Amino acid sequence: RKEVEQDPGPFNVPEGATVAFNCTYSNSASQSFFWYRQDCRKEPKLLMSVYSSGNEDGRFTAQLNRASQYISLLIRDSKLSDSATYLCVVNSNQAGTALIFGKGTTLSVSS
Amino acid sequence: GAVVSQHPSWVICKSGTSVKIECRSLDFQATTMFWYRQFPKQSLMLMATSNEGSKATYEQGVEKDKFLINHASLTLSTLTVTSAHPEDSSFYICSATGQYGYTFGSGTRLTVV
Repeated sequence: RKEVEQDPGPFNVPEGATVAFNCTYSNSASQSFFWYRQDCRKEPKLLMSVYSSGNEDGRFTAQLNRASQYISLLIRDSKLSDSATYLCVVNSNQAGTALIFGKGTTLSVSS
Repeated sequence: GAVVSQHPSWVICKSGTSVKIECRSLDFQATTMFWYRQFPKQSLMLMATSNEGSKATYEQGVEKDKFLINHASLTLSTLTVTSAHPEDSSFYICSATGQYGYTFGSGTRLTVV
């Protein structure tokens, strides 16, 4: 079983749509959770951290369910510029441990 | 903010040659450097973890004699792909940790012909 699993998509949505991505992780010792965005042939960039209480950053809302080991990302009012691959990322928080990436979910927003 | 400079950004080499990729932390000390590779439509897969001044720890299935990692200082780590073959063609990216959390280099696209 992969450590971080995501639906690869692609999700093809029109501008203005609301879209949700889901992710599950297998390591119950995971302590930190993130969503990264990766554009084609570029390095991943941190979109937002994910907290147990849920958190929002503009049009983006992230949720974490530790009991189910489930993470979600909601994007409201999609823009063309949101087209990218969204990576679910976890970390155990132990010193010197790497970020573990999901395969990513591809989003394509069209006009 | 923290910046990691990775070079080269892309390289094409002949099969059997070696390629060195450098990652430099420009304004912080990178106590740990992680090296990943990403094949098309795949996730970033951790190859190895290196701490300054010590030998790298390689993930299962990654050949340490093929992927040589050097982390001689707190601001520089290198990955050398030795005797590269077409199946080594991939996107290689480093990630440094220090006081600013995780900072990624811009990646190196390696094509072996």
